[in-house]
Amino acid sequence: QQQVKQSPQSLIVQKGGISIINCAYENTAFDYFPWYQQFPGKGPALLIAIRPDVSEKKEGRFTISFNKSAKQFSLHIMDSQPGDSATYFCAASIPQTGANNLFFGTGTRLTVIP
Amino acid sequence: EAGVAQSPRYKIIEKRQSVAFWCNPISGHATLYWYQQILGQGPKLLIQFQNNGVVDDSQLPKDRFSAERLKGVDSTLKIQPAKLEDSAVYLCASSPWGRSYEQYFGPGTRLTVT
Repeated sequence: QQQVKQSPQSLIVQKGGISIINCAYENTAFDYFPWYQQFPGKGPALLIAIRPDVSEKKEGRFTISFNKSAKQFSLHIMDSQPGDSATYFCAASIPQTGANNLFFGTGTRLTVIP
Repeated sequence: EAGVAQSPRYKIIEKRQSVAFWCNPISGHATLYWYQQILGQGPKLLIQFQNNGVVDDSQLPKDRFSAERLKGVDSTLKIQPAKLEDSAVYLCASSPWGRSYEQYFGPGTRLTVT
């Protein structure tokens, strides 16, 4: 069972454009929603994260929008650059005793065309 | 600060053979994770350690997979015997004490089982 559903599977954007990746979840126990960026041959790297008590978080060109009632969150990359070309994973964390396990989406391969 | 180290980076074995992966987490990180990432999918947690104790191994196929974290630092993940469906990237991650939602990933080991 996929705990976090992510779309689209792939995305092609022109340089300078806005890239938007969407995720949805069902488990209301999730309390932390990070986005990871993964380049080929590298491990995922934490990009930006949000908690459900906030509707938006912005860090540079990256913004998370969070809709708690709809159980959806999205990543917006403003002024997309070729260097942003990577696979992006949304994730959700559920608090457990001594641990916060991360459940990852299936990933979105972003290609930014110069 | 040095990141999470993993070795080897690549491994090719035949089915029914055994293989072991090694991980050295970020210094001082109490929590260590092993993930399996199948091509085109998000990482899936296999096992989580808090210091040298297992917190969660519910997704670990225990008939063939084993993992240990001696002295609460380095960890090894072993597969014996390997199956074709074990072909994947095996990622190690670590997180600071009390911040299990903030995980730092290593570059991974790409395993091919033929």
